[in-house]
Amino acid sequence: LAKTTQPISMDSYEGQEVNITCSHNNIATNDYITWYQQFPSQGPRFIIQGYKTKVTNEVASLFIPADRKSSTLSLPRVSLSDTAVYYCLVVYNDMRFGAGTRLTVKP
Amino acid sequence: EAGVTQFPSHSVIEKGQTVTLRCDPISGHDNLYWYRRVMGKEIKFLLHFVKESKQDESGMPNNRFLAERTGGTYSTLKVQPAELEDSGVYFCASTRRGLGLDTEAFFGQGTRLTVV
Repeated sequence: LAKTTQPISMDSYEGQEVNITCSHNNIATNDYITWYQQFPSQGPRFIIQGYKTKVTNEVASLFIPADRKSSTLSLPRVSLSDTAVYYCLVVYNDMRFGAGTRLTVKP
Repeated sequence: EAGVTQFPSHSVIEKGQTVTLRCDPISGHDNLYWYRRVMGKEIKFLLHFVKESKQDESGMPNNRFLAERTGGTYSTLKVQPAELEDSGVYFCASTRRGLGLDTEAFFGQGTRLTVV
């Protein structure tokens, strides 16, 4: 199973762009890179998924280099409500969580 | 469309007692997953059902834990007898098909279990 490594915590301010990088050096060919967000007292919530290059949706962008050994979640113009834990997972028939990155957005 | 629902939201039981957690996945979702987070630790995979069959139960901690999914709809996770280290938040998730491209897992709100 591919293991992921992310920063334990990050701080940002409202209105800034936040980039969270995840490394997954032993990612397999069939694995997809998926990010989830979790607020306190709630279950994780899907944010975005990609295989390679760039994926963008209404809440985030995901950048994946050609070697796929890392990925970067980009949150544009964060607000206080984006304070949460963000998990990077590599997924194929299996979904295992790492420690996640605790993002704190300050006013 | 109703989301994944879990019952109860909280449970406080004494060591040695039995507790049964329930998860109702999204209708039509064949895949159901159980996870738990104990205090200060990561979210850990417990097991995965495909319909009523256990696809992967490698994360079940010991034989005090029993998961069932009769009829391939809702699932129960029974802990008997409960121990103090079983305290934590138990999450359930469901997907329509197996994990892979364009497969989003939907999680319930979790059941917070406290064993005293």
